[in-house]
Amino acid sequence: GENVEQHPSTLSVQEGDSAVIKCTYSDSASNYFPWYKQELGKGPQLIIDIRSNVGEKKDQRIAVTLNKTAKHFSLHITETQPEDSAVYFCAAPNFGNEKLTFGTGTRLTIIP
Amino acid sequence: DTEVTQTPKHLVMGMTNKKSLKCEQHMGHRAMYWYKQKAKKPPELMFVYSYEKLSINESVPSRFSPECPNSSLLNLHLHALQPEDSALYLCASSLQTAANEKLFFGSGTQLSVL
Repeated sequence: GENVEQHPSTLSVQEGDSAVIKCTYSDSASNYFPWYKQELGKGPQLIIDIRSNVGEKKDQRIAVTLNKTAKHFSLHITETQPEDSAVYFCAAPNFGNEKLTFGTGTRLTIIP
Repeated sequence: DTEVTQTPKHLVMGMTNKKSLKCEQHMGHRAMYWYKQKAKKPPELMFVYSYEKLSINESVPSRFSPECPNSSLLNLHLHALQPEDSALYLCASSLQTAANEKLFFGSGTQLSVL
């Protein structure tokens, strides 16, 4: 089955700087890689996703890059703002049981 | 409407109580899910409904009983819970049950079992 590792578990970044969170996965058949943001007291919200036919996808200050050879994908947040403070989860599909496997999460804190 | 709505937002119950969590979506999604999330952990899958039929039960204790009355509604009936069942219960939906479908989560019900 799919195994997803996420690093770092916590990350503090000065406001305006960039943040990078990295995930590795084990199943070479995986073809869909979403990132979720979870704010305090709320459910996870999909912020960006990428499919394996592209290497990078951007949406304003957020980007995701995918390296299929190395089996890792990363979330990049530029010009960080206080509202970016949250827990971020990566995920990858487990086609063996049709489930999404989540990473362990990264608590991102933006320091004003 | 791209929302998944869950009620109640908070619930405190005793170990002998019976309560229900409710979830609703109007995106035309045919797959609906219940997840359990403990503090500082990722969501853990409990149940999956596909076209209103239970397709996955992740060996969840029978004190949790899911129900899908129609394609827009999902309930989770709770009975004789234990304190260790205290957690955030999340409902989610997707267009289909494929593992590479976009998953939309509700805000969750924060459950405390006393």
